[in-house]
Amino acid sequence: GDSVTQMEGPVTLSEEAFLTINCTYTATGYPSLFWYVQYPGEGLQLLLKATKADDKGSNKGFEATYRKETTSFHLEKGSVQVSDSAVYFCALVDAGNNRKLIWGLGTSLAVNP
Amino acid sequence: KAGVTQTPRYLIKTRGQQVTLSCSPISGHRSVSWYQQTPGQGLQFLFEYFSETQRNKGNFPGRFSGRQFSNSRSEMNVSTLELGDSALYLCASSSRQSSYNEQFFGPGTRLTVL
Repeated sequence: GDSVTQMEGPVTLSEEAFLTINCTYTATGYPSLFWYVQYPGEGLQLLLKATKADDKGSNKGFEATYRKETTSFHLEKGSVQVSDSAVYFCALVDAGNNRKLIWGLGTSLAVNP
Repeated sequence: KAGVTQTPRYLIKTRGQQVTLSCSPISGHRSVSWYQQTPGQGLQFLFEYFSETQRNKGNFPGRFSGRQFSNSRSEMNVSTLELGDSALYLCASSSRQSSYNEQFFGPGTRLTVL
């Protein structure tokens, strides 16, 4: 079945460091891909998305490119801030799978000043 | 536009009891999904309701049930609580008009089973 694999955390960075959180997926069809973020004590929020190969999603300085050839959707940010400390979830929805979201386990990010 | 609201925010129950959690979606959203979030298992899909009908169901025992009302509000019920049911229960709503299936999450209900 469809699945999403994220790099394990926690990830600890200093402010202004470069961030990469790896995400790879398996899917039988042509999924749409998402990154959600969960700040402490809050629900999840959509951070960015991409719906087809080579699409780049971007928001709040974060970017991720849909790579069909490597089945990846890695999240990157050039310069992280303390306020980026959160848990990041990669997810996919496969139109052929009743449009159910499939989630990675999440990667915790802590940014120190 | 008000976001997704969930009540209560925190619950403490004992084994064997039952619990009902409530979710009010964003106005105009007709789809409501429920998830269980635990540190070890991540986000696990429970079920999805659309226009009062269950459209999708995850791999949870029959102790977990839900329903949706005509105003799109949803409740989930867990009977005969077990210690392993301790988790954050998240509700998400979507309009289902987008093929991207973007979901908007509430803050969750933190259930502790003693």
